[in-house]
Amino acid sequence: GQQVMQIPQYQHVQEGEDFTTYCNSSTTLSNIQWYKQRPGGHPVFLIQLVKSGEVKKQKRLTFQFGEAKKNSSLHITATQTTDVGTYFCADRDTPLVFGKGTRLSVIA
Amino acid sequence: DAGITQSPRHKVTETGTPVTLRCHQTENHRYMYWYRQDPGHGLRLIHYSYGVKDTDKGEVSDGYSVSRSKTEDFLLTLESATSSQTSVYFCAISGGHRGTEAFFGQGTRLTVV
Repeated sequence: GQQVMQIPQYQHVQEGEDFTTYCNSSTTLSNIQWYKQRPGGHPVFLIQLVKSGEVKKQKRLTFQFGEAKKNSSLHITATQTTDVGTYFCADRDTPLVFGKGTRLSVIA
Repeated sequence: DAGITQSPRHKVTETGTPVTLRCHQTENHRYMYWYRQDPGHGLRLIHYSYGVKDTDKGEVSDGYSVSRSKTEDFLLTLESATSSQTSVYFCAISGGHRGTEAFFGQGTRLTVV
């Protein structure tokens, strides 16, 4: 598996503000997956991106895969307290290797 | 949720003792993984399996061994536990490698005193 770097490590936002986390790789990724882990919980799959330049949306969440397939981003519009947790990207190759995650705190 | 169970959920053990964590699945998935999660380090892969008796090392495999004698069970053993192995351990399963999502167990909180 390849090393994926995730930034920022932590992000604190006011409720209603937007949030973005970035996932970067030095080499081309086959595909990338995003997971969310609520405090005290286990990671849960959110989405997979496969194609260069792909954009997918899930309600307030927008996922992008870079044109060169070396980076990806997750953007949350108008954060809510339910968005709190750690967001991980993962290089979906064998074995499944995760970035260190971005922990999101939302201040009501 | 996928049928994946970790046991025990919590364990406190003494330094130097052997410890075995169990991951059991009812999904008949081929791939199984063990991760440890520590603050600031995210999810780090310890070992994984791609079939019965087929296992390989991850990035933090030192001090850990695994066994998979049946499709449904993946065991993680700490031969002689150390305080640095205090962590939360997650098991995950997936049906294939590329293009399939992974399902995680609830985690095991291990404390080595």
